[in-house]
Amino acid sequence: EDQVTQSPEALRLQEGESSSLNCSYTVSGLRGLFWYRQDPGKGPEFLFTLYSAGEEKEKERLKATLTKKESFLHITAPKPEDSATYLCAVQRDLRHSGAGSYQLTFGKGTKLSVIP
Amino acid sequence: ETGVTQTPRHLVMGMTNKKSLKCEQHLGHNAMYWYKQSAKKPLELMFVYNFKEQTENNSVPSRFSPECPNSSHLFLHLHTLQPEDSALYLCASSQDRARRTQYFGPGTRLLVL
Repeated sequence: EDQVTQSPEALRLQEGESSSLNCSYTVSGLRGLFWYRQDPGKGPEFLFTLYSAGEEKEKERLKATLTKKESFLHITAPKPEDSATYLCAVQRDLRHSGAGSYQLTFGKGTKLSVIP
Repeated sequence: ETGVTQTPRHLVMGMTNKKSLKCEQHLGHNAMYWYKQSAKKPLELMFVYNFKEQTENNSVPSRFSPECPNSSHLFLHLHTLQPEDSALYLCASSQDRARRTQYFGPGTRLLVL
């Protein structure tokens, strides 16, 4: 069974204080790892897809990295508008497992609060 | 309209009511999904439609009934719900069910009294 564990559950940062969010995963063959941002009362907003270990992607103050067991979302010099819940999800590669589906398995998320 | 839209955004219903949630995607995608998001729990996939055909039902109770008349529209019909069904219901779409990236709508906040 695919599993995704995100840590910490909640993180409070001062504006400008850089940090990282962790996503540990277990999947029988990774097809893709996804990061989403979700604001209260809204749907998840797509940020990044990572496909293989060693891959990195950046967008403004966010940088996502991937290893064979975990992904990190690095936030550099965060601003209050970066406050949100960040969700991580994995998709299984059916060529490895031979069964199952392409459905995404999500973690519970990390709630980030950036204080001015 | 762009992206994925959902109506209504908020819904309050009694346990004996019948209501429907609507989702429309303007992305030209062929796969659509219903998810349930409850507090402190990960997103739970409910149903998957690919080219209008239901391909997955994740053991969802029959009081939830999906309908996909075409690749752009998805409905979730609700009847005799329970208070524990109160949650944020999210619709998503992707190019097809094998394509990696899913795009989400804003959700419908449902409260069952």
